[in-house]
Amino acid sequence: AQSVTQLGSHVSVSEGALVLLRCNYSSSVPPYLFWYVQYPNQGLQLLLKYTTGATLVKGINGFEAEFKKSETSFHLTKPSAHMSDAAEYFCAAGYNTDKLIFGTGTRLQVFP
Amino acid sequence: GAVVSQHPSWVICKSGTSVKIECRSLDFQATTMFWYRQFPKQSLMLMATSNEGSKATYEQGVEKDKFLINHASLTLSTLTVTSAHPEDSSFYICSAFSSRDNSPLHFGNGTRLTVT
Repeated sequence: AQSVTQLGSHVSVSEGALVLLRCNYSSSVPPYLFWYVQYPNQGLQLLLKYTTGATLVKGINGFEAEFKKSETSFHLTKPSAHMSDAAEYFCAAGYNTDKLIFGTGTRLQVFP
Repeated sequence: GAVVSQHPSWVICKSGTSVKIECRSLDFQATTMFWYRQFPKQSLMLMATSNEGSKATYEQGVEKDKFLINHASLTLSTLTVTSAHPEDSSFYICSAFSSRDNSPLHFGNGTRLTVT
């Protein structure tokens, strides 16, 4: 069965530090991959997506992710964290762009 | 961009009553909408896939008689939680797929249901 694993349910960084949120998927066929952000009591907002083509994907708010087929990974990074980045982040995978399998989420805390 | 509106944003109801949640695609037609449930500090669990003009497809373990889904038009899907119980209290999120921009799911802002 396909699954998405997010290592680390909580990640804490200082403002200005590098953000790294990990995501691995299990599949013999690379699916479509997504990162979403969720603020408290709100829906999900798409940060970025990988479908085909360039493996380094740039998204909104300075985030980017790199698809590495050999590692079945799609880690999310941001060079410098802002306080406003504090939120829940979900990695998701699908074999098309509609039905998605979500990881368990990573809560990012940013300290001043 | 594609906008999905979900209403209400929160609702409190008594045990045994039914609650209807609406999910609308405001500026695009959505032949397929999805309903997710999210428990506190957990991920999203897909409950069902709602297809316009046909019966919804429920995921394993989801009671279709308890969670009634209707997708009567290309812009509206509803989820009705029937005979609600406290264990139904959760955050429900809908999403819709826009073929117009070949984007993945556009999500509503969710509905916080509390059953007392």
